[in-house]
Amino acid sequence: QKEVEQDPGPLSVPEGAIVSLNCTYSNSAFQYFMWYRQYSRKGPELLMYTYSSGNKEDGRFTAQVDKSSKYISLFIRDSQPSDSATYLCAPGGSYIPTFGRGTSLIVHP
Amino acid sequence: NAGVTQTPKFQVLKTGQSMTLQCAQDMNHNSMYWYRQDPGMGLRLIYYSASEGTTDKGEVPNGYNVSRLNKREFSLRLESAAPSQTSVYFCASSLQGAGYGYTFGSGTRLTVV
Repeated sequence: QKEVEQDPGPLSVPEGAIVSLNCTYSNSAFQYFMWYRQYSRKGPELLMYTYSSGNKEDGRFTAQVDKSSKYISLFIRDSQPSDSATYLCAPGGSYIPTFGRGTSLIVHP
Repeated sequence: NAGVTQTPKFQVLKTGQSMTLQCAQDMNHNSMYWYRQDPGMGLRLIYYSASEGTTDKGEVPNGYNVSRLNKREFSLRLESAAPSQTSVYFCASSLQGAGYGYTFGSGTRLTVV
């Protein structure tokens, strides 16, 4: 079992929609989580780094962790076609992370 | 600021041939990593180097060797390529350690025929 699990999608939404991307994790010891964004034929880039309590907001992006259900979410407000990419989650902190498979997001005009 | 640079970007090998994938970072990062990415499998760690002079196996090390040449450079060698090694290879580096965030290179697309 991978450390994190994601639905690979694709998730297709219209421009302007609120997007919710989700991961589940298995190890209750995880304290930090990372979200990466990967455009087609590019390397992943670190999007957000969050501690496992409350929400973290960065522009149109909000990361949320629910420790009780071991559930991580990334919300994208006012989604744009340029947000079309694969989003990967991974545990952070001192671990060498095992990445989820990623969720493919398509935002159509 | 180039970040993490990988060469070559594309390569086609015949089964049994050898090659070395090069990776260099200019961010003075301590740790470097090699991943492969296959459709439906996500990113899988091949080898990593926590600091100059050390290397360790990751999840899928068989068929690969690595060399941490200096603090900047970390190479991945395929001694006898197999079709199962057809993949996209990413090099990454990190200042503190993998769990605090990577910077990835743009990848090498390798096809073994």
